[in-house]
Amino acid sequence: DTQMTQSPSSLSAFVGDRVTITCRASHGIRDSLAWYQQKPGEAPKLLLFAASRLQSGVPSRFSGSVSGTDYALTISSLQPEDFATYFCQQYYSSPPTFGQGTKVEIK
Amino acid sequence: QVQLVQSRAEVRKPGASVKVSCKTSGYIFANYGVTWLRQAPGQGLEYMGKITGDKGFTNYAQTLQGRVTMTIDTSTTTAYMELQNLRSDDTAVYYCARVELSRVYEYWGQGTLVIVSS
Repeated sequence: DTQMTQSPSSLSAFVGDRVTITCRASHGIRDSLAWYQQKPGEAPKLLLFAASRLQSGVPSRFSGSVSGTDYALTISSLQPEDFATYFCQQYYSSPPTFGQGTKVEIK
Repeated sequence: QVQLVQSRAEVRKPGASVKVSCKTSGYIFANYGVTWLRQAPGQGLEYMGKITGDKGFTNYAQTLQGRVTMTIDTSTTTAYMELQNLRSDDTAVYYCARVELSRVYEYWGQGTLVIVSS
């Protein structure tokens, strides 16, 4: 299975901060990577797919990038509603696998 | 609009079985598969398997082979996931999600908490 190593596991930030979360794939996944946001008691919400394509309806402050097997999710200016847990998922190979999550908390 | 509505929370003893349902609406059931994932407390998401919406072909995670069974009822556009021989580490929130052509998960059920405890 392709392992997804996500970092950091948690971070604290102020409203307005720029935040970056990264995922490293143990094998090449050819940009077949999605990012999800999950709030307590809710199902995950799809934010981006194909590493950098924004899902319809997702604010443009969310963006994705790639460098080799390292993938990044950036929130350009953190908003109060962005405090949540974020997961990456590779869907290049079966089974699809997820990162362990990054909890973004208010500083 | 696309909706996936799951059955309510369950409590089971170790060794028992549980069957979770996922009632879908708002799309052509046969055109999309349904995947099942679970999330143990404070943990990440784990893929359990998927089932096609037309013929009910299945693909299960190797770690659950022999304990998990996924089925569909096309007459009610409902997918089911049954897990047998439950253990305490099966305690988790179980989600169904529609499998998109892109293989990402845009539509999810609300989740079903399954607690395994003696």
